[in-house]
Formats: sequence, structure tokens, C-alpha cells
Amino acid sequence: RKEVEQDPGPFNVPEGATVAFNCTYSNSASQSFFWYRQDCRKEPKLLMSVYSSGNEDGRFTAQLNRASQYISLLIRDSKLSDSATYLCVVSAYSGTYKYIFGTGTRLKVLA
Amino acid sequence: NAGVTQTPKFQVLKTGQSMTLQCAQDMNHNSMYWYRQDPGMGLRLIYYSASEGTTDKGEVPNGYNVSRLNKREFSLRLESAAPSQTSVYFCASSLTSGGAWETQYFGPGTRLLVL
Repeated sequence: RKEVEQDPGPFNVPEGATVAFNCTYSNSASQSFFWYRQDCRKEPKLLMSVYSSGNEDGRFTAQLNRASQYISLLIRDSKLSDSATYLCVVSAYSGTYKYIFGTGTRLKVLA
Repeated sequence: NAGVTQTPKFQVLKTGQSMTLQCAQDMNHNSMYWYRQDPGMGLRLIYYSASEGTTDKGEVPNGYNVSRLNKREFSLRLESAAPSQTSVYFCASSLTSGGAWETQYFGPGTRLLVL
């Protein structure tokens, strides 16, 4: 079982739609959680950190469920520019804090 | 502010050739990382340097060596390239590696093809 699992998609949604992605992680000692965005053939960039209380940034809402070991990302009012791959990242301590990446969920927003 | 820069952007090697991937950051970060990204797999950590003067193995270090030249620069060397090393290589940096919520900043990547 992979340490961080994501549905690879693609999720094809029309502009204006709401879309949600989930990510599950296997290490219950994981301490921090992130969503990164990666555009085609580009580097990953931090979208948002995911705190225990959940957090929102404009159209993006992230939630953490430690009991079930999953995190989610909700995108409201999808824009064409949201088309990208969304990487779930979990950080755990092993001598130092290390990122474990999911394989990513690909989103295509259609006009 | 350039952030994290990597050279070269693309490289084609023949099996057995060697090369060094260069990475530099101008954010005064202490920690630097090398990852590889392959289709169907998440980014995997090759080596990291928690601070200047230290380097440690990550998840997939075999076939690679690294040098933390100074605080700004962290290079990755392939001594004898193999087709299995065909990948996209990303360098990243963070202020430290000692915090759970440290953000990592990535360079634009190097696309390597080994024939």
C-alpha cells in the first residue's frame, strides 16, 4: 500500500462546477499536510497547508480527518486556470521532517 | 528574486555517461533536496541536505551522489547513467528541515533521458 494515495483522475468538470479530491495516508504519525499544485511540465507549488481545523483560501477549502487518515481539497466555482495536477503531500518525522508525495490528481476544467 | 534555479533544463545521455545537475537557491535557505518524478509515481526523495556541510540519503539514493557546495548550491551527480534514471529531477529548498510545516520551494526541473 502506498503511503499517500490519490485518485489519478482525470476529473473533467465544466467551468463553475465544484469539485473535490480526497487523499489517504497510511502513517498515523504524520504531522503535517499540504496540497501542492503542479502545472503540466512545471514544478510543484504550494497551494495550501491543511490544518486540523480545516482552512479556506478563496475558492479552495482543505479539510483533515485524522481519525480516518484522509485529507480533502474542495474547489468551488472552477476556473479554466484551475486545470492542473494536485499533489497531496504528507510530512512525517524520520530524523528530519520529510515530504511524502501522492501521485497527484489531474483536473481539467472545460469551457 | 530567482528562487530555485536548475541547470540544465534538458539532457540526453548515453548509458554509462556521467553528468552533474546543478541547483542554486537565493532565499538563504538552510535545507535543500533532490527529487525525481516518474509517471505514475509521486516525487521521491533522492538525497537531502539539512544544512550546509551535511547530506543524507533519501528514499532512492542508489546511483547518485550529491555535494552541498555552499549554502546556496546543491549538486546531484550521476556517475554512470542508466536508462532507469530517465526522469524529471527537481531540486527544492526550505528554510529549515526541522519544522513540520516548512514549505518546500521547487526549481523548474531537469528532464533527463538516458538512452
